[in-house]
Parts: sequence; C-alpha cells; structure tokens
Amino acid sequence: QKEVEQNSGPLSVPEGAIASLNCTYSDRGSQSFFWYRQYSGKSPELIMFIYSNGDKEDGRFTAQLNKASQYVSLLIRDSQPSDSATYLCAVNNNDMRFGAGTRLTVKP
Amino acid sequence: ETGVTQSPTHLIKTRGQQVTLRCSSQSGHNTVSWYQQALGQGPQFIFQYYREEENGRGNFPPRFSGLQFPNYSSELNVNALELDDSALYLCASRMIPSGRAKSYEQYFGPGTRLTVT
Repeated sequence: QKEVEQNSGPLSVPEGAIASLNCTYSDRGSQSFFWYRQYSGKSPELIMFIYSNGDKEDGRFTAQLNKASQYVSLLIRDSQPSDSATYLCAVNNNDMRFGAGTRLTVKP
Repeated sequence: ETGVTQSPTHLIKTRGQQVTLRCSSQSGHNTVSWYQQALGQGPQFIFQYYREEENGRGNFPPRFSGLQFPNYSSELNVNALELDDSALYLCASRMIPSGRAKSYEQYFGPGTRLTVT
C-alpha cells in the first residue's frame, strides 16, 4: 500500500464547476496535511494546509480532513482555466510524503 | 516567490559522475528536505535535515547524501550517477519550533533539472 494515494485522474471539469480531488493516507500518526499545485515545468506551490478534522476554506478552495477515515480532499469552486495543473496531496508526520498527483483540466 | 533558491537550474552529467546541488532556505527556516521528482510522478522524499542533523530518510541508497550548514543552506550530493537519477530535484524548507511535535507548511524552491546521459 502506498503511503499517500490520490485518484489517478486525469480530471476534467467545465469552467465554473466544482472540482473534487481526493487523497487517502496510510500512517495514522500523520499530523498535518497539505495540498500543492504544480504547473507543468514548475515546482509545487502550497495552496492549502489543514491540521484538524473538518473543513477549512480559503477563497475558492476548501480542504476537508477526516482522520478516522484517513482521508483528505480538496474542493475547488468556480473552477477557472488557470486552475489547470497537477494537484499534489502531502501528508506529514516527521517528514512529508506526497501522492503521485491528480492532473486537473478546466475547460473554457 | 517562496524565498527558497536552488542552483544550478539545469545540469547535464554523465553516468558514473558525481553531482552537488545547492539550496538556500527561506529566512528563519531551520529544516530542509530534498525530493526527487521523476516525470509524471509525485516528489519522492530523499532526506530531511533539522539543525544540521539528518532526521529522516526515504528509500534512497547511501550514494545520496546531504549537508545542512549553520546558515541553514543545504547540499545534496549524488555519487556514481545512474541514468535513473535523471529527474527534477526539489528542495523545501520549513520552520519547526523547538519543543513542539507539530510541523508547519513547507515551501519549495524552483528545482534543479538533472539529466544523466
């Protein structure tokens, strides 16, 4: 079992729709959870982090964490073409481990 | 801009050679991690340094080694390069406060693209 698993994608949504990205992790001791966005040829950019169960909202982005289910998700509301990128889920205990990423395409 | 810088941007090496990659952490950050990202994959954790000591290592052989300096800058050294070492190498820094287990967000540098021929 991989430490961090993401739905493989690619995911395609129309402009203005909600994009839903999912991630599961294996280490129950994990304490903090992150979503990074990576444009092609660029390094990952931190967009959200969440430490406690529940929802955390920041603009069009909402991160959701359920530690009992070892599940974390990212919702992007009113998706824009500029949101087209690979989204990486990362989970941290002592060090940070990443999923393989989900490629999102937002079509105009 | 994250305040994390890496050098060089691109590098081409021959199989069997050695390479040193450099990273300058964001000001105030005491922890640096190195990752290898192959095309189409997520970043793979190589190792982490906290206050100049390695305090975590991923599934990489000993020919991958590192250093962290008192100013929190860091190096990644790879000996006996193999073709599969061709990848984007990412450095990321963060701040771990003393005496607390909780970690904080981590910021990446632009990466070094290494090609081994």
